[in-house]
Amino acid sequence: AQSVSQHNHHVILSEAASLELGCNYSYGGTVNLFWYVQYPGQHLQLLLKYFSGDPLVKGIKGFEAEFIKSKFSFNLRKPSVQWSDTAEYFCAVSPFLHTPLVFGKGTRLSVIA
Amino acid sequence: NAGVTQTPKFQVLKTGQSMTLQCAQDMNHNSMYWYRQDPGMGLRLIYYSASEGTTDKGEVPNGYNVSRLNKREFSLRLESAAPSQTSVYFCASSERGVGYGYTFGSGTRLTVV
Repeated sequence: AQSVSQHNHHVILSEAASLELGCNYSYGGTVNLFWYVQYPGQHLQLLLKYFSGDPLVKGIKGFEAEFIKSKFSFNLRKPSVQWSDTAEYFCAVSPFLHTPLVFGKGTRLSVIA
Repeated sequence: NAGVTQTPKFQVLKTGQSMTLQCAQDMNHNSMYWYRQDPGMGLRLIYYSASEGTTDKGEVPNGYNVSRLNKREFSLRLESAAPSQTSVYFCASSERGVGYGYTFGSGTRLTVV
């Protein structure tokens, strides 16, 4: 079945460590790609998005993501995490551009002092 | 600027009871969505409305009905609640179309006993 895969269920990092969260999708053709963040007890907020153009996308709060078409991947990165980055992160894909977003199962990030 | 407003925020139902979850957006967005979020499952699409007057099934529509009352409002109805419908329900809307970034509401936590 076509899907969005987030490989890490729970990631624990110390403050100032670098972050990379993996996201792979199985849809062929042109896709729109997103990363959302959900802080504890809150709703989802858009971190960044990719529609076309430069495959390295910069978002809010120092996050970036790289689209690698050949690998069907859209990994999220941050050079130095803070305690306030503790949250759940969701990758989402719109297959075929005009279909609703399909979400991955999420990766919980815990940042410890 | 309220964005997407969901009511109620919390609800406890008995098996077999019915209820309607309300969602309204004030951003003049064309498309609206209902997702459910379950631990370890990410977000799964229940129904969506690409534009006023249209609704379509998502991944998990069984046991639910929707109404796009007007451009602002999109309600989700559980006709006969079941424990399997215990979840957090998120409404979202998008301006450009179903394949583009969504704005989410703060969610409704529903427990069916």
